[in-house]
Amino acid sequence: GAVVSQHPSWVICKSGTSVKIECRSLDFQATTMFWYRQFPKQSLMLMATSNEGSKATYEQGVEKDKFLINHASLTLSTLTVTSAHPEDSSFYICSAGLTGTKGYGYTFGSGTRLTVV
Amino acid sequence: DAKTTQPPSMDCAEGRAANLPCNHSTISGNEYVYWYRQIHSQGPQYIIHGLKNNETNEMASLIITEDRKSSTLILPHATLRDTAVYYCIVTKGGRTGSARQLTFGSGTQLTVLP
Repeated sequence: GAVVSQHPSWVICKSGTSVKIECRSLDFQATTMFWYRQFPKQSLMLMATSNEGSKATYEQGVEKDKFLINHASLTLSTLTVTSAHPEDSSFYICSAGLTGTKGYGYTFGSGTRLTVV
Repeated sequence: DAKTTQPPSMDCAEGRAANLPCNHSTISGNEYVYWYRQIHSQGPQYIIHGLKNNETNEMASLIITEDRKSSTLILPHATLRDTAVYYCIVTKGGRTGSARQLTFGSGTQLTVLP
């Protein structure tokens, strides 16, 4: 089936540094990629939607200059957390929409646990 | 997208069927019902989705009421590995639509007991 490979699975970084998270679609082309964030004991919250070759669309309250999204190819989307602070510590998850014989499905990466110290 | 309501938690004995309800009384005609689950510290896993007919796959069955205002996900023989948070999501899209973000509610924490 369709697989989205997300790396790294976990990362610890110092406050003020930047972290890049990659999501690759392994056996399909991901025209649209969604980025979610999940804080402990909470549900997933959409951060942004990116379409290949276009600028990402950010949800209200998400700083586009802090969370840089690049979707330059149909198989790779990246999220860079710039100047990370402890409050950015969270579980980040990407998701791709894909068509099938029964309409759209959505496949998720395995997530990245970011800890900013 | 239509809002969904799920019980916050449920228990199920191992080997028994787990029936997870979802209310989506404001669903519109072109909205699909999707079910995902999330095991702790992992990305959500697709289970099943449907429009109006009941659906079955190797993981589960989805029963949608005739008025489409509610649905039930059935795990026929629950195992300990099925312990997870189960999300019922309603969204447009499907065969002719474009990919849309999924709006996650609080979900149901299913605990399968030995």
